[in-house]
Amino acid sequence: AQSVTQPDIHITVSEGASLELRCNYSYGATPYLFWYVQSPGQGLQLLLKYFSGDTLVQGIKGFEAEFKRSQSSFNLRKPSVHWSDAAEYFCAVGAGGNKLVFGAGTILRVKS
Amino acid sequence: NAGVTQTPKFQVLKTGQSMTLQCAQDMNHEYMSWYRQDPGMGLRLIHYSVGAGITDQGEVPNGYNVSRSTTEDFPLRLLSAAPSQTSVYFCASSYGGPHAGTDTQYFGPGTRLTVL
Repeated sequence: AQSVTQPDIHITVSEGASLELRCNYSYGATPYLFWYVQSPGQGLQLLLKYFSGDTLVQGIKGFEAEFKRSQSSFNLRKPSVHWSDAAEYFCAVGAGGNKLVFGAGTILRVKS
Repeated sequence: NAGVTQTPKFQVLKTGQSMTLQCAQDMNHEYMSWYRQDPGMGLRLIHYSVGAGITDQGEVPNGYNVSRSTTEDFPLRLLSAAPSQTSVYFCASSYGGPHAGTDTQYFGPGTRLTVL
């Protein structure tokens, strides 16, 4: 069965610093991978997704993610974090049709 | 477009009560899903639908019922509420079709449910 691991429950970075959020997945075939962001009290919004082609994927709000099959990873990066990026971030893998399996999430705190 | 809407935003129930969480979308999406979000567990799929009249169970379906009589609406029914069902519930929709697995899912704002 598919599974997603986000090893970091909380991460704190300084505003302007770079960010990397880790995601490891378990899936037998080529996975469909997603990163969603949830601002406090809100629903989830898609940041980016990978399903084929270039392994470096660009998303909204200056985020990017790199698919590494050899490491079963899909880490999310941003070169310079803004205070408005404070939120919870979820990595997910497609589980057939429209079904998604989510990781436990990583809460990002941004300090000024 | 309103997107995905959910009502109510907040609800408190007593153990054993029943209720229906409403979800509607105005994007003519075929696929709709219900997830629950619990701290440290991410989102888990409760039930999903690939079109009007078609529903199926997800990872955690026990204690919940769904139906899909129209494309727009996908209500979630709690039959006899239990404290273990205290959670935040999200409805999501996506376009569907032959490439459904790559679709963007659009989430509603959530319903925060407390069962006493």
